[in-house]
Amino acid sequence: AQSVTQLDSQVPVFEEAPVELRCNYSSSVSVYLFWYVQYPNQGLQLLLKYLSGSTLVKGINGFEAEFNKSQTSFHLRKPSVHISDTAEYFCAFRAGGTSYGKLTFGQGTILTVHP
Amino acid sequence: NAGVTQTPKFQVLKTGQSMTLQCAQDMNHNSMYWYRQDPGMGLRLIYYSASEGTTDKGEVPNGYNVSRLNKREFSLRLESAAPSQTSVYFCASTFNEKLFFGSGTQLSVL
Repeated sequence: AQSVTQLDSQVPVFEEAPVELRCNYSSSVSVYLFWYVQYPNQGLQLLLKYLSGSTLVKGINGFEAEFNKSQTSFHLRKPSVHISDTAEYFCAFRAGGTSYGKLTFGQGTILTVHP
Repeated sequence: NAGVTQTPKFQVLKTGQSMTLQCAQDMNHNSMYWYRQDPGMGLRLIYYSASEGTTDKGEVPNGYNVSRLNKREFSLRLESAAPSQTSVYFCASTFNEKLFFGSGTQLSVL
């Protein structure tokens, strides 16, 4: 079965500290990987995506993620977080051959940045 | 640019009542989606429409129907609401491997 697991449901961190949000996936076919962010009372916004090529992808707001095929992981990182990064983050994938937008989402990680 | 617009933003139903959630996008996208979001479960796909005139089931279609009225509009109908359908519903469209989400409908079924 295809699935996405976000290993931490909540991550508290102090402002200007680095952060890593962990994501592992399980799929028997090729995958396209995504991170979305949801601010309170809003819809989700795309942070970054991995489709092919370089395994290190950079997104908006200083976030980056690395695709590791051998470990089936796609962890999200930011070297220095701001208060405004407080939000819920979702890892997702699309299996090769499926319709665009037909994503499988992880359970979400709530990132709370403290002053 | 309005993007993806959903109505209503909030709704309370009694068990057994019916309602339709409306969604429209002004970006000329071919594909549209309905997801539901539940705490600790992420988002799950209910139905999608890859192009005007087609609809397909997603992961959790039971209890729902959809209509792709035209290229802009994609509605979700609950024929007989159940408490298990209490959730936040998101409509989305896609282009270039990016989902564009509406702001959501918070639905409570009592």
